[in-house]
Amino acid sequence: EVQLVESGGGLVQPGGSLRLSCAASGFTFSNFAMHWVRQAPGRGLEYVSVISSNGDNTYYANSVKGRFTISRDNSKNTLYLQMGSLRGDDTAVYYCARGRTTPAWGQGTLVTVSS
Amino acid sequence: DVVMTQPPLSLPVTLGQPASISCRSSQSLVHSDANTYLNWIQQRPGQSPRRLIYKVSNRDSGVPDRFSGSGSGTNFTLKISRVESEDVGVYYCVQGSHWPITFGQGTRLEIK
Repeated sequence: EVQLVESGGGLVQPGGSLRLSCAASGFTFSNFAMHWVRQAPGRGLEYVSVISSNGDNTYYANSVKGRFTISRDNSKNTLYLQMGSLRGDDTAVYYCARGRTTPAWGQGTLVTVSS
Repeated sequence: DVVMTQPPLSLPVTLGQPASISCRSSQSLVHSDANTYLNWIQQRPGQSPRRLIYKVSNRDSGVPDRFSGSGSGTNFTLKISRVESEDVGVYYCVQGSHWPITFGQGTRLEIK
Protein backbone atom coordinates (compact mmCIF):
# COMPACT_ATOMS: atom_id res chain seq x y z
CA GLU A 1 0.00 0.00 0.00
CA VAL A 2 1.33 3.40 -0.98
CA GLN A 3 1.86 5.58 2.09
CA LEU A 4 3.08 9.16 2.37
CA VAL A 5 3.73 10.81 5.72
CA GLU A 6 4.48 14.52 5.82
CA SER A 7 6.22 16.23 8.73
CA GLY A 8 8.15 19.34 9.68
CA GLY A 9 5.42 21.96 9.70
CA GLY A 10 4.89 24.51 12.43
CA LEU A 11 4.61 28.17 13.29
CA VAL A 12 7.27 30.39 11.77
CA GLN A 13 7.72 34.14 11.59
CA PRO A 14 7.59 36.00 8.27
CA GLY A 15 10.97 35.80 6.60
CA GLY A 16 11.79 32.56 8.39
CA SER A 17 12.65 29.10 7.10
CA LEU A 18 11.33 25.58 7.51
CA ARG A 19 12.13 22.17 6.06
CA LEU A 20 9.35 19.74 5.31
CA SER A 21 9.83 16.00 4.87
CA CYS A 22 7.73 13.33 3.23
CA ALA A 23 8.45 9.70 4.12
CA ALA A 24 7.31 7.30 1.43
CA SER A 25 6.62 3.57 1.67
CA GLY A 26 4.83 0.81 -0.19
CA PHE A 27 6.42 1.49 -3.57
CA THR A 28 9.80 1.90 -5.24
CA PHE A 29 10.37 5.55 -4.42
CA SER A 30 13.21 6.03 -6.89
CA ASN A 31 10.93 5.15 -9.82
CA PHE A 32 8.56 8.09 -9.42
CA ALA A 33 8.51 11.85 -9.72
CA MET A 34 7.21 13.48 -6.57
CA HIS A 35 5.27 16.67 -5.91
CA TRP A 36 4.54 19.10 -3.16
CA VAL A 37 1.00 20.44 -3.16
CA ARG A 38 -0.49 22.91 -0.69
CA GLN A 39 -3.90 24.01 0.47
CA ALA A 40 -4.38 27.39 2.10
CA PRO A 41 -7.20 27.67 4.66
CA GLY A 42 -10.55 27.44 2.89
CA ARG A 43 -8.92 27.21 -0.53
CA GLY A 44 -8.31 24.58 -3.18
CA LEU A 45 -5.30 22.41 -3.95
CA GLU A 46 -2.30 24.21 -5.46
CA TYR A 47 0.80 22.75 -7.03
CA VAL A 48 4.04 23.92 -5.39
CA SER A 49 6.90 21.92 -6.89
CA VAL A 50 7.84 18.68 -8.62
CA ILE A 51 11.09 16.71 -8.79
CA SER A 52 11.97 13.97 -11.24
CA SER A 53 12.60 10.42 -10.11
CA ASN A 54 16.40 10.80 -10.05
CA GLY A 55 16.33 14.39 -8.79
CA ASP A 56 17.85 15.89 -11.91
CA ASN A 57 14.84 18.01 -12.86
CA THR A 58 12.79 20.33 -10.72
CA TYR A 59 9.96 22.79 -11.37
CA TYR A 60 8.40 25.41 -9.14
CA ALA A 61 5.23 27.44 -9.04
CA ASN A 62 5.97 31.10 -9.74
CA SER A 63 4.75 31.97 -6.25
CA VAL A 64 7.59 30.01 -4.60
CA LYS A 65 10.36 30.19 -7.20
CA GLY A 66 13.61 31.38 -5.70
CA ARG A 67 12.36 30.81 -2.14
CA PHE A 68 11.66 27.07 -1.97
CA THR A 69 13.90 24.13 -2.92
CA ILE A 70 12.65 20.61 -3.52
CA SER A 71 15.00 17.66 -3.09
CA ARG A 72 14.91 13.93 -2.45
CA ASP A 73 17.00 11.19 -0.93
CA ASN A 74 16.21 7.96 -2.75
CA SER A 75 18.29 5.96 -0.27
CA LYS A 76 15.97 7.13 2.51
CA ASN A 77 12.72 7.13 0.49
CA THR A 78 12.22 10.73 1.55
CA LEU A 79 11.17 13.92 -0.22
CA TYR A 80 12.03 17.35 1.14
CA LEU A 81 10.91 20.94 0.73
CA GLN A 82 13.25 23.62 2.03
CA MET A 83 11.18 26.77 2.47
CA GLY A 84 12.75 30.20 2.91
CA SER A 85 11.70 33.86 3.00
CA LEU A 86 8.31 32.66 4.19
CA ARG A 87 5.30 34.95 3.80
CA GLY A 88 1.81 34.96 5.19
CA ASP A 89 0.37 33.60 1.97
CA ASP A 90 2.54 30.49 2.36
CA THR A 91 0.31 29.49 5.27
CA ALA A 92 -1.22 26.18 4.23
CA VAL A 93 -1.35 22.45 4.74
CA TYR A 94 1.41 20.93 2.63
CA TYR A 95 0.98 17.51 1.04
CA CYS A 96 3.32 15.35 -0.97
CA ALA A 97 1.99 13.34 -3.89
CA ARG A 98 3.35 10.73 -6.26
CA GLY A 99 3.73 10.69 -9.98
CA ARG A 100 1.11 11.18 -12.64
CA THR A 101 -1.74 9.43 -10.88
CA THR A 102 -1.35 10.77 -7.29
CA PRO A 103 -2.62 7.55 -5.68
CA ALA A 104 -2.16 8.40 -2.03
CA TRP A 105 -2.40 11.46 0.14
CA GLY A 106 -1.05 11.77 3.65
CA GLN A 107 -2.45 13.85 6.46
CA GLY A 108 -0.36 16.83 5.40
CA THR A 109 1.69 19.13 7.57
CA LEU A 110 0.48 22.58 8.57
CA VAL A 111 2.73 25.56 8.02
CA THR A 112 1.64 28.79 9.68
CA VAL A 113 3.53 31.97 8.87
CA SER A 114 2.71 34.63 11.41
CA SER A 115 4.37 37.04 13.81
CA ASP B 1 0.72 25.21 -17.35
CA VAL B 2 -2.45 23.29 -18.21
CA VAL B 3 -5.53 25.07 -16.89
CA MET B 4 -8.24 22.85 -15.46
CA THR B 5 -11.75 24.30 -15.33
CA GLN B 6 -14.49 22.74 -13.20
CA PRO B 7 -17.94 24.18 -13.49
CA PRO B 8 -19.93 24.56 -11.32
CA LEU B 9 -18.15 25.51 -8.13
CA SER B 10 -21.12 24.41 -6.05
CA LEU B 11 -23.52 21.55 -6.73
CA PRO B 12 -26.58 21.07 -4.52
CA VAL B 13 -28.04 17.59 -4.94
CA THR B 14 -30.98 15.75 -3.38
CA LEU B 15 -30.12 12.52 -1.59
CA GLY B 16 -30.57 9.54 -3.87
CA GLN B 17 -30.37 11.64 -7.00
CA PRO B 18 -27.52 11.55 -9.55
CA ALA B 19 -24.78 14.16 -9.74
CA SER B 20 -22.40 15.07 -12.51
CA ILE B 21 -19.21 17.13 -12.22
CA SER B 22 -17.40 18.28 -15.32
CA CYS B 23 -13.77 19.13 -15.90
CA ARG B 24 -12.15 20.73 -18.95
CA SER B 25 -8.46 21.07 -19.70
CA SER B 26 -6.82 23.81 -21.75
CA GLN B 27 -5.00 21.20 -23.81
CA SER B 28 -5.31 17.52 -24.58
CA LEU B 29 -4.39 15.24 -21.70
CA VAL B 30 -3.31 12.36 -23.92
CA HIS B 31 0.27 11.65 -22.89
CA SER B 32 2.97 10.48 -25.31
CA ASP B 33 2.66 7.03 -23.71
CA ALA B 34 -0.99 6.97 -24.88
CA ASN B 35 -2.39 7.20 -21.36
CA THR B 36 -4.65 10.02 -20.25
CA TYR B 37 -3.65 11.03 -16.73
CA LEU B 38 -6.86 12.59 -15.46
CA ASN B 39 -7.71 11.75 -11.87
CA TRP B 40 -10.53 12.67 -9.53
CA ILE B 41 -9.91 13.53 -5.90
CA GLN B 42 -12.49 13.73 -3.11
CA GLN B 43 -11.94 15.84 -0.03
CA ARG B 44 -14.50 15.41 2.71
CA PRO B 45 -14.83 18.20 5.29
CA GLY B 46 -11.83 18.25 7.60
CA GLN B 47 -10.11 15.35 5.85
CA SER B 48 -7.14 14.89 3.55
CA PRO B 49 -7.72 14.38 -0.16
CA ARG B 50 -8.49 10.88 -1.35
CA ARG B 51 -8.22 9.63 -4.90
CA LEU B 52 -11.40 8.12 -6.33
CA ILE B 53 -10.66 7.67 -10.02
CA TYR B 54 -7.40 7.50 -11.98
CA LYS B 55 -6.65 7.60 -15.69
CA VAL B 56 -10.15 8.87 -16.49
CA SER B 57 -12.24 5.86 -15.53
CA ASN B 58 -10.41 3.49 -13.17
CA ARG B 59 -12.04 3.34 -9.76
CA ASP B 60 -9.77 3.00 -6.74
CA SER B 61 -10.12 0.05 -4.40
CA GLY B 62 -12.86 0.65 -1.85
CA VAL B 63 -14.58 3.36 -3.87
CA PRO B 64 -18.29 2.61 -4.25
CA ASP B 65 -19.41 1.69 -7.75
CA ARG B 66 -21.85 4.59 -7.76
CA PHE B 67 -18.80 6.69 -8.72
CA SER B 68 -17.73 6.58 -12.36
CA GLY B 69 -15.44 8.62 -14.56
CA SER B 70 -15.52 9.20 -18.29
CA GLY B 71 -14.22 11.48 -21.00
CA SER B 72 -11.34 11.97 -23.37
CA GLY B 73 -9.01 14.62 -24.75
CA THR B 74 -10.02 17.78 -22.93
CA ASN B 75 -13.45 16.98 -21.49
CA PHE B 76 -14.07 14.75 -18.53
CA THR B 77 -16.92 13.92 -16.16
CA LEU B 78 -17.30 12.41 -12.72
CA LYS B 79 -20.72 10.91 -12.11
CA ILE B 80 -22.35 9.76 -8.91
CA SER B 81 -25.36 7.59 -9.69
CA ARG B 82 -27.14 8.12 -6.38
CA VAL B 83 -25.77 10.68 -3.96
CA GLU B 84 -25.40 9.65 -0.33
CA SER B 85 -24.71 11.86 2.68
CA GLU B 86 -21.10 10.63 2.91
CA ASP B 87 -20.44 12.09 -0.55
CA VAL B 88 -20.55 15.66 0.77
CA GLY B 89 -17.26 17.40 0.13
CA VAL B 90 -15.16 18.98 -2.58
CA TYR B 91 -14.23 17.15 -5.75
CA TYR B 92 -11.13 18.06 -7.74
CA CYS B 93 -9.95 16.92 -11.11
CA VAL B 94 -6.16 16.79 -11.43
CA GLN B 95 -4.13 16.20 -14.56
CA GLY B 96 -0.79 14.41 -14.51
CA SER B 97 -0.12 14.28 -18.25
CA HIS B 98 1.87 17.51 -18.33
CA TRP B 99 4.24 18.91 -15.74
CA PRO B 100 3.40 20.47 -13.46
CA ILE B 101 0.31 18.63 -12.32
CA THR B 102 -2.60 21.04 -12.10
CA PHE B 103 -5.92 20.99 -10.32
CA GLY B 104 -9.39 22.21 -11.06
CA GLN B 105 -10.84 24.80 -8.68
CA GLY B 106 -12.96 22.12 -7.04
CA THR B 107 -16.71 21.50 -7.04
CA ARG B 108 -18.41 21.53 -3.66
CA LEU B 109 -21.14 18.90 -3.48
CA GLU B 110 -23.80 19.64 -0.89
CA ILE B 111 -27.11 18.09 0.00
CA LYS B 112 -30.14 20.10 -1.02
